[in-house]
Amino acid sequence: AQKVTQAQTEISVVEKEDVTLDCVYETRDTTYYLFWYKQPPSGELVFLIRRNSFDEQNEISGRYSWNFQKSTSSFNFTITASQVVDSAVYFCALSEARRGSNDMRFGAGTRLTVKP
Amino acid sequence: DTAVSQTPKYLVTQMGNDKSIKCEQNLGHDTMYWYKQDSKKFLKIMFSYNNKELIINETVPNRFSPKSPDKAHLNLHINSLELGDSAVYFCASGRRGTGELFFGEGSRLTVL
Repeated sequence: AQKVTQAQTEISVVEKEDVTLDCVYETRDTTYYLFWYKQPPSGELVFLIRRNSFDEQNEISGRYSWNFQKSTSSFNFTITASQVVDSAVYFCALSEARRGSNDMRFGAGTRLTVKP
Repeated sequence: DTAVSQTPKYLVTQMGNDKSIKCEQNLGHDTMYWYKQDSKKFLKIMFSYNNKELIINETVPNRFSPKSPDKAHLNLHINSLELGDSAVYFCASGRRGTGELFFGEGSRLTVL
């Protein structure tokens, strides 16, 4: 069965600090997808990134970067030069994309607070 | 146009009542889902439907009954509401095999 662990429940940083959110996953499938979502105080789920299991290239998008390492089953998310607007709950998720279902499972989330 | 829309966005009701939350997607996806997010922000899958057929039913009480009249709609009906049903319910849709889901904005249910 698939499982996603976000060991950091809450993180608090001061603006402009870099912060890394950890995500460790478990799956028996060789084909799977990993995601990060942001949930700001307004409550909606904002899609940030999708990675498939065959693409281990790290990705950078502005101040956001993701480090996917299959050897350690990790998909960590780093925010560089954090801003107050980055304050949110961040979810890592795993989907095994089995036939008939996309069955996405979420980690417990990490609440990030960025203080001015 | 909203891709995945849920109604109502807010719902306040008394214990014991029956209520429904509707979900519609205009993305042409063949799979739809309901997720529950509790007060601790934990997101858990409840149901998954593929082409109107139930695929996933995760140990959800019988009081919860999803209904999919067609591929574009997946409604959630809850009977005999309990305090513990208070949560945000997210609808989502996806194309099977792609691993990606598109979420609605959520429906906050408060049971008094």
